[in-house]
Amino acid sequence: KAGVTQTPRYLIKTRGQQVTLSCSPISGHRSVSWYQQTPGQGLQFLFEYFSETQRNKGNFPGRFSGRQFSNSRSEMNVSTLELGDSALYLCASSSANRGQETQYFGPGTRLLVL
Amino acid sequence: QKEVEQNSGPLSVPEGAIASLNCTYSDRVSQSFFWYRQYSGKSPELIMSIYSNGDKEDGRFTAQLNKASQYVSLLIRDSQPSDSATYLCAAASGGSYIPTFGRGTSLIVHP
Repeated sequence: KAGVTQTPRYLIKTRGQQVTLSCSPISGHRSVSWYQQTPGQGLQFLFEYFSETQRNKGNFPGRFSGRQFSNSRSEMNVSTLELGDSALYLCASSSANRGQETQYFGPGTRLLVL
Repeated sequence: QKEVEQNSGPLSVPEGAIASLNCTYSDRVSQSFFWYRQYSGKSPELIMSIYSNGDKEDGRFTAQLNKASQYVSLLIRDSQPSDSATYLCAAASGGSYIPTFGRGTSLIVHP
């Protein structure tokens, strides 16, 4: 079974621009979560989508948004980029079987904002 | 606020020794617990999941869970230099399905 894939793997943007990241979950997984990882803050939860609906949301500003398509693929968008948005963005998919949810991470997208 | 606490380390052990990594969590209703390994510049990789009190063994890895003490640990037997990485502990409750991650413990296994 293919793992979680993310595109692009690396991205350089400048302040004020916007960016869209893509994630394809493991086949059969309907839950997709997004995380931001930085050396200072560790792994921070952004949001989770399940069956095209945002089911959980972390404490990030409205500049961070996402969506999920009918095939479970998900995109994350960051508008008006700030220097502090430089981070590794990780997508994780889960089969979301109640009581035994296990998340499998993709390789991540490393975003650098200049 | 759900929290998962880990000692940031680094924990340094000689090759062949047992590495013991510890984690405590604050949410008493947590039901699922995970250990991930993350190499520098890579994404987290699931090593173990544990849901019941006691020990769970998988090869050189043993996860231990004590819900009464809200404590999870990971033992790595016969540690190898290739085990050198950051180990992330995570806990999830049945309500949100989203695990809360600790900041990770850096493990260094020296030859």
